[in-house]
This record gives sequence, C-alpha cells and structure tokens, in this order.
Amino acid sequence: QSVLTQPPSVSAAPGQKVTISCSGSTSNIGKNYVSWYQQLPGTAPKLLIYDNNKRPSGIPDRFSGSKSGTSATLGITGLQTGDEADYYCGTWDNSLSAGVFGTGTKVTVL
Amino acid sequence: QITLKESGPTLVKPTQTLTLTCTFSGFSLSTSGVGVGWIRQPPGKALEWLALIYWDDDKRYSPSLKSRLTITKDTSKNQVVLTMTNMDPVDTATYYCAHRGCSGGSCYSGYWGQGTLVTVSS
Repeated sequence: QSVLTQPPSVSAAPGQKVTISCSGSTSNIGKNYVSWYQQLPGTAPKLLIYDNNKRPSGIPDRFSGSKSGTSATLGITGLQTGDEADYYCGTWDNSLSAGVFGTGTKVTVL
Repeated sequence: QITLKESGPTLVKPTQTLTLTCTFSGFSLSTSGVGVGWIRQPPGKALEWLALIYWDDDKRYSPSLKSRLTITKDTSKNQVVLTMTNMDPVDTATYYCAHRGCSGGSCYSGYWGQGTLVTVSS
C-alpha cells in the first residue's frame, strides 16, 4: 500500500554509520520535499528531517538527509543504542493529491 | 508550544462509523499555511496517510479510502474531526493527528499527537 519503498532493515555496530534509502517516483519525491521520521517503540513518529536535508531544532547533526531525482536518503552517523527505531520517509504525491509514506526501515544497533 | 491529542472510541463494531477528534493548542487553524492531518498505523505495520484539512477548508483524502472518510474543522474549538464509515477489522490501528505547516512550497508535519488505538471487533 505504501508508495515509497524503503529497505525493511539495516544494522550496524555502535559508532558506525547507516544509510536508509527511500525510492519514489516523479509524482512524489521527484517534485516535492522529503521528510524523515523516527518512531521509537510504542511512541508517535518524530520529525527528524524536513525539506530533504534540514533538521528541526534539537535534532543532532548525526542525522542527515539528501535527495537525488526520485530517491532520498537518511544517514545516521555515530550510531547509538538509542537510535534503534523504525524510520519512515514521507512526502506529497501530486498525482494522488495526497500524502505518502515509505514502507519503513527498522534500524538495529548490533 | 504546539500540542495535539486524539480522542474517540477504543472499540468499534464492524460496519459502524468511527468518529475521532483531534484537539490541539499552540496554533490556529485559521492561520494561512496551517493544516491538520490524520495518519494511521496498524499494529506492526507502516504509517498510512489518511486525510488533511487546511486553514482555508481545502480537504485532501487518501484515494483508497476517500469514499469512507470525512474531515472537518471547528476553528473556534481548536478541533479537527475525522469520520470513517463502514469500519472493518482491517481498520484496527493507532490513529494519529499531526500539525502540518506550509511555507513557500515546503510542507511538513513537525508535531504529532500521541495516537489512539482503535480496535474493530464484534
């Protein structure tokens, strides 16, 4: 049902880096800004990145975002155990005239 | 400080209509560029976008659920209401409302409610 495709899971050791991809199309990522959300177990999603690469106040610079064409990427450096969560990309889809989210990626710290 | 909170029934029967209310503070839904949206998440599954209403009463719906959804706002009460008809067990999910701010082509949901779990069962 999700319009945007993410890898189901990624993992790395503490201190390492992970990247999460978000693949869409010309009607969504290709024409609109992308946001990224972190969802810790049992909690509501929290905005991590907006406008492709901007961080809200309070979000550490270990989190970064980028976009190229119809894909976006979230990067997390200096991985910490507290980063274990589900991560979702989101954007607007001009063809659907609706918001869309990614399939979600579970980050595991080994 | 922007806060949002969802309220409504925790249990509904199949075929019934669900009515959820999002009560918010810290912003006005009469301010240009502001919207409130609804998103749901079935247990163990991904987020699903449902509906959105803007300050100017512009409304958008998920195409797959459009026939079952209605979103309205009461600016004086700082509330947004979502109704979903003909509920089915597959609609069991945590329902979130979220603030959406738009400016110069940029829109994003920086503030979310805590969510409310709705179970559909007879």
